[in-house]
Amino acid sequence: EVQLQQSGAELVKPGASVKLSCKTSGYTFSNYYMSWLKQMPGQNIEWIGNIYGGNGGTGYNQKFKGKATLTVDKSSSTAYMDLSSLTSEDSAVYFCARNYYSGAPFAYWGQGTLVTVSS
Amino acid sequence: DIVMTQSPSSLAVSAGETVTINCKSSQSLFGSVRQKNYLAWYQQKPGQSPKLLIYLASTRESGVPDRFIGSGSGTDFTLTISSVQAEDLANYYCQQYYDTPYTFGAGTKLELK
Repeated sequence: EVQLQQSGAELVKPGASVKLSCKTSGYTFSNYYMSWLKQMPGQNIEWIGNIYGGNGGTGYNQKFKGKATLTVDKSSSTAYMDLSSLTSEDSAVYFCARNYYSGAPFAYWGQGTLVTVSS
Repeated sequence: DIVMTQSPSSLAVSAGETVTINCKSSQSLFGSVRQKNYLAWYQQKPGQSPKLLIYLASTRESGVPDRFIGSGSGTDFTLTISSVQAEDLANYYCQQYYDTPYTFGAGTKLELK
């Protein structure tokens, strides 16, 4: 069974950075892309970018370049997302999600990580 | 970027009714190689992750009840829920995966009348 387990809620100060994790199980991590998505309270879902588990190759939504940095640790089958220079606009729930294959929709989702940016 | 316009933004229904949610893309989602439309529908309940319902515009994900029907092609798509049940009260989103950045509609909130 494919499972994506995300790290817990974060409360961070403006200007700081945060690193979120998405630990996977139930499939061969190296064979799939992992995407990260943002959902602000009561709002739309935005695709941040994706990363290939095999070689760490990335693709970003232009909107999030410079804000988000995606990495993987193949040894632990975990994907990470660093968010930098946080502002209130970064307060949101962040999901990791995987598709069945490249170019397919997101069949598997993590439970989400709430990031709150507040002083 | 492909813009996804969803309507209505909210819908109040009674159990047993049939509802229709519309989704329009700013460019065609029809891929000529596979002859398929790269459009998905998701259901999201409060506090939960989105759940994939429909992909390739009309293919139901495994385990999704057959009262959920996706249709449409090109730029205009529809999700129909026949005989709505209380468990269907949720937010629904369309998503294009024809091209990156993948984009979602703003959502339709299905509420009880």
